[in-house]
Amino acid sequence: DADVTQTPRNRITKTGKRIMLECSQTKGHDRMYWYRQDPGLGLRLIYYSFDVKDINKGEISDGYSVSRQAQAKFSLSLESAIPNQTALYFCATSDGAVYEQYFGPGTRLTVT
Amino acid sequence: AQSVTQLDSQVPVFEEAPVELRCNYSSSVSVYLFWYVQYPNQGLQLLLKYLSGSTLVKGINGFEAEFNKSQTSFHLRKPSVHISDTAEYFCAVTLTGGFKTIFGAGTRLFVKA
Repeated sequence: DADVTQTPRNRITKTGKRIMLECSQTKGHDRMYWYRQDPGLGLRLIYYSFDVKDINKGEISDGYSVSRQAQAKFSLSLESAIPNQTALYFCATSDGAVYEQYFGPGTRLTVT
Repeated sequence: AQSVTQLDSQVPVFEEAPVELRCNYSSSVSVYLFWYVQYPNQGLQLLLKYLSGSTLVKGINGFEAEFNKSQTSFHLRKPSVHISDTAEYFCAVTLTGGFKTIFGAGTRLFVKA
């Protein structure tokens, strides 16, 4: 089984809808991250969490919110989706002592 | 502010030829350096990392990278590429303390038969 899983893998939604992307990990890491990937822009950090009670905004948090329900679960919500939020979204985890990140398979989100 | 620049957006190369993917970074504090690879329809996975010590680091699949502090570069190399190396490669820097990671825009490597 994969160490970092994301659901759904693909989602098409309409402008104005609320949508939640979920991430679960079995690596036992405290740190979790949400990124979005756009062609030619690499990965940009949306939110990150260093433990269950710690949530921090990344460089592009506007229009997004997160919830860290447990050490293993970190959800990303789009309260009112807009077309420019169409992107590939990745969840990642890391161990604070090692710093390398482990990525989920991604969620491809299309907002029409 | 920190930044990462991958100097080539696309690199076409023939199979069994050598390749170098270039990465420069800018930071006012010490950083750790990483290369990740993304195969089609997959998430990123670690190729190699530099935390300290020897400036030449070896990773998976025959890749290696050299940290050059004076030139603030961390170029990725492979002496002989395979078709299966076709993927997108990302250079990343993490500030010491691990509080923030910045990714480059990526380099698409196309290996042709």
